[in-house]
Amino acid sequence: ETGVTQSPTHLIKTRGQQVTLRCSSQSGHNTVSWYQQALGQGPQFIFQYYREEENGRGNFPPRFSGLQFPNYSSELNVNALELDDSALYLCASSLGGRNTIYFGEGSWLTVV
Amino acid sequence: GIQVEQSPPDLILQEGANSTLRCNFSDSVNNLQWFHQNPWGQLINLFYIPSGTKQNGRLSATTVATERYSLLYISSSQTTDSGVYFCAVYASGAGSYQLTFGKGTKLSVIP
Repeated sequence: ETGVTQSPTHLIKTRGQQVTLRCSSQSGHNTVSWYQQALGQGPQFIFQYYREEENGRGNFPPRFSGLQFPNYSSELNVNALELDDSALYLCASSLGGRNTIYFGEGSWLTVV
Repeated sequence: GIQVEQSPPDLILQEGANSTLRCNFSDSVNNLQWFHQNPWGQLINLFYIPSGTKQNGRLSATTVATERYSLLYISSSQTTDSGVYFCAVYASGAGSYQLTFGKGTKLSVIP
């Protein structure tokens, strides 16, 4: 139990649609990061939010966007879904940018 | 960017056996963490270990930052240890907010 919760746990979308994934961070944590994990691979960094501002981004196109709210919860939005977006999406929270981070259970996205 | 390599990629153990997993990284790091991912996808923190040695029950880890590697030791393995073990690092330097993961070691412990 890491205290990081994600929703939904599983979802199926059609190519071209949009999806919103949600994350509640561990109590007291002000930093949220999102990662994409394709089957058989390690997680890849999408972006990080600190106090509602994006302060780091990986090699993902602009159709991947996010928000962090005043209570430090966060959303990941993906527009114009592609088949390759099918993956496990992991949210992680931490106190500050490079401290120990704790992951949620993830959201499994399938794009058909 | 920083490269993280883990070995071996796959490992099969008899219950009760010991094992050593290795993580090599290509540059200096601020932070190194070991995770265990269970079959349902949950990543569980095992160790935060940018340098030195730590132990937690049957698990221990050692990071030698100057030589750019870390080792995870599992003793008296149990079937519940099965899953994928990831090493992940934050590179040193300003603006390095991304945790870079290796490809993992898939461990299967058989009764």
